[in-house]
Amino acid sequence: DSGVTQTPKHLITATGQRVTLRCSPRSGDLSVYWYQQSLDQGLQFLIQYYNGEERAKGNILERFSAQQFPDLHSELNLSSLELGDSALYFCASSAGGLSGNTIYFGEGSWLTVV
Amino acid sequence: GEDVEQSLFLSVREGDSSVINCTYTDSSSTYLYWYKQEPGAGLQLLTYIFSNMDMKQDQRLTVLLNKKDKHLSLRIADTQTGDSAIYFCAEASPGSARQLTFGSGTQLTVLP
Repeated sequence: DSGVTQTPKHLITATGQRVTLRCSPRSGDLSVYWYQQSLDQGLQFLIQYYNGEERAKGNILERFSAQQFPDLHSELNLSSLELGDSALYFCASSAGGLSGNTIYFGEGSWLTVV
Repeated sequence: GEDVEQSLFLSVREGDSSVINCTYTDSSSTYLYWYKQEPGAGLQLLTYIFSNMDMKQDQRLTVLLNKKDKHLSLRIADTQTGDSAIYFCAEASPGSARQLTFGSGTQLTVLP
């Protein structure tokens, strides 16, 4: 158990809909990352938050957004869903800062868009 | 730019050593990671190495880093059937952000 908790584990939704994926980082970790794993793109970095502030953006679509709350949990919002958004979405956390070397991943949220 | 490459498949016999190789291109990387993914499961952090180190050993795992050639390897001693999984190497962006760029993963199959 990595200590990173993601919900829901599985989600099936229709095209055009909006979903929210939730992540609780490991206790004490300030930094949260979101990654997407798909068959054609592999593992891609989406976005990172550190202590409530956006720190870095990767290949995140404009239809996607994220935030990190004062209790440090994070949510990834996916809207106007398309079939190609079907993927495994991972959250990861680290202590952040220069000492945040260990990066632990959650079990992921499987999203299927039909 | 950042690009991490791995071979796609590796088969070994149970009890043998496995060596999974990875090359990266960003010379400013500071940390390099190895993760394991079993079917239907998340990414398990196996180990990581700082780019000023040549080697790191952790029980059955040995990581070797050749910074000049930008080559990273993961050796698993006494490979067991439970080691069958996909292994990803990843390089972290410089500085404190630690965004990871992953390779495509190496499917390790351990034959009895």
